[in-house]
Amino acid sequence: DAGITQSPRHKVTETGTPVTLRCHQTENHRYMYWYRQDPGHGLRLIHYSYGVKDTDKGEVSDGYSVSRSKTEDFLLTLESATSSQTSVYFCAINGQRTTGNTIYFGEGSWLTVV
Amino acid sequence: AQTVTQSQPEMSVQEAETVTLSCTYDTSESDYYLFWYKQPPSRQMILVIRQEAYKQQNATENRFSVNFQKAAKSFSLKISDSQLGDAAMYFCAYRSARGAQKLVFGQGTRLTINP
Repeated sequence: DAGITQSPRHKVTETGTPVTLRCHQTENHRYMYWYRQDPGHGLRLIHYSYGVKDTDKGEVSDGYSVSRSKTEDFLLTLESATSSQTSVYFCAINGQRTTGNTIYFGEGSWLTVV
Repeated sequence: AQTVTQSQPEMSVQEAETVTLSCTYDTSESDYYLFWYKQPPSRQMILVIRQEAYKQQNATENRFSVNFQKAAKSFSLKISDSQLGDAAMYFCAYRSARGAQKLVFGQGTRLTINP
């Protein structure tokens, strides 16, 4: 257990509304990631963070923003949700030495945009 | 950019038999890690096994082992004595040893275990 909590776990929202997903970790890991999972695509990286206030884009970042004001929290925001953003969102951490250089995942957040 | 390819969208195996899932990757780096993750119907991502590229010895975890062929850029997963609980999606993933160490995933292989 890498101490990762995602919230909310399930959310239904309307097109055009803002949505924020939260990832919380308890073990002070430096690197945090947001992935989305869609059929036929595996998991694709949205954004990642390598420290407080240090973030960068992944391969599918359009329509998403992130923030990391504290080590333990990494927020993913959909400024104006669209139906194409209906997906399962996974947060992950890489604790480097503390997790054997392995990336561990949260339990996922199911988002439906109607 | 690195890419990971899993050419088998679906596989099936009889319970207690052995099955091998294929994965190839493309990279120009020499130092990296490779992983297999299992995703059961709960959608939780569970680490099955990892391999460091600098190690020649293939990783083994109980009934799970890999065949790592660095020159061929191949990383297959062998599951021995398949059990009903092994039924899941399996994802192969690549991670550079440098930089932000992001995971790049293959498309996944759905494994069915026939009783």
